Amino acid sequence: KAGVTQTPRYLIKTRGQQVTLSCSPISGHRSVSWYQQTPGQGLQFLFEYFSETQRNKGNFPGRFSGRQFSNSRSEMNVSTLELGDSALYLCASGEPGTDEAFFGQGTRLTVV
Amino acid sequence: AQSVTQLDSQVPVFEEAPVELRCNYSSSVSVYLFWYVQYPNQGLQLLLKYLSGSTLVESINGFEAEFNKSQTSFHLRKPSVHISDTAEYFCAVRGSSNTGKLIFGQGTTLQVKP
Repeated sequence: KAGVTQTPRYLIKTRGQQVTLSCSPISGHRSVSWYQQTPGQGLQFLFEYFSETQRNKGNFPGRFSGRQFSNSRSEMNVSTLELGDSALYLCASGEPGTDEAFFGQGTRLTVV
Repeated sequence: AQSVTQLDSQVPVFEEAPVELRCNYSSSVSVYLFWYVQYPNQGLQLLLKYLSGSTLVESINGFEAEFNKSQTSFHLRKPSVHISDTAEYFCAVRGSSNTGKLIFGQGTTLQVKP
C-alpha cells in the first residue's frame, strides 16, 4: 500500500504570492489533517477534512484554507504569503477506528 | 482543550545508556496518547500509542511508555539507546472522540553519542 504522498516536496515563493499544496492519503483513508511545523511554534494543527467536509480547524488566519475532493485527496492553500509562513507543512491521513495518523514527508515552503 | 508539555528540549546520552523522555499532558476529557519520531527531512512516524487497557505500551524497537493518569504523564523510555535512535521525538494527545486532530508537545531532540 502506498503511503501518504505530498507534493511538491520543496517550494520557494515570494511574499504576497499564494501557494497550493497537495496531499494524497493512503488508499481507503477518508480523514486528512494538515499541520504546520516551525522551529519556534513546533507542530500546530491547521485543519482536518473528512469525507469532503472540514471537521476541525486550528487557530490560523483565514489566509489558510483547504479542501478535500471526492477521492479523499486534499489541498491546502495559503494566500498573500508572509515570511512567517515559511515552514514544513505535514499532511496526515487516517480512518476512524484505526486510531493512528500516517504522515507524509511534508512540503518545505520557503517564503522570500 | 488539551495541551502537551515535553519537559526537555534536548537530551544528550551516550550509546547503550538508558534514556527517559518526559511528557505531561492536560485535558478535561479522556485522551489517546502517542509518541512520534521524526528523522531529519522526514515526516512523523508513530512509535507507540496508548488507547486503553494496559498502561505500559511497547514498540518493536525497544521503546516503552507508561500512561500515568494520576500524574497525567506518558514518559518514553528505552533501556539502551543506539546511535540510530538520534532523532526528534514528539508526544501527542488526541481526544477520544472521533477526530483526527492531534495536539503535539514541542519535541525533544535525542542526541546519542558514541
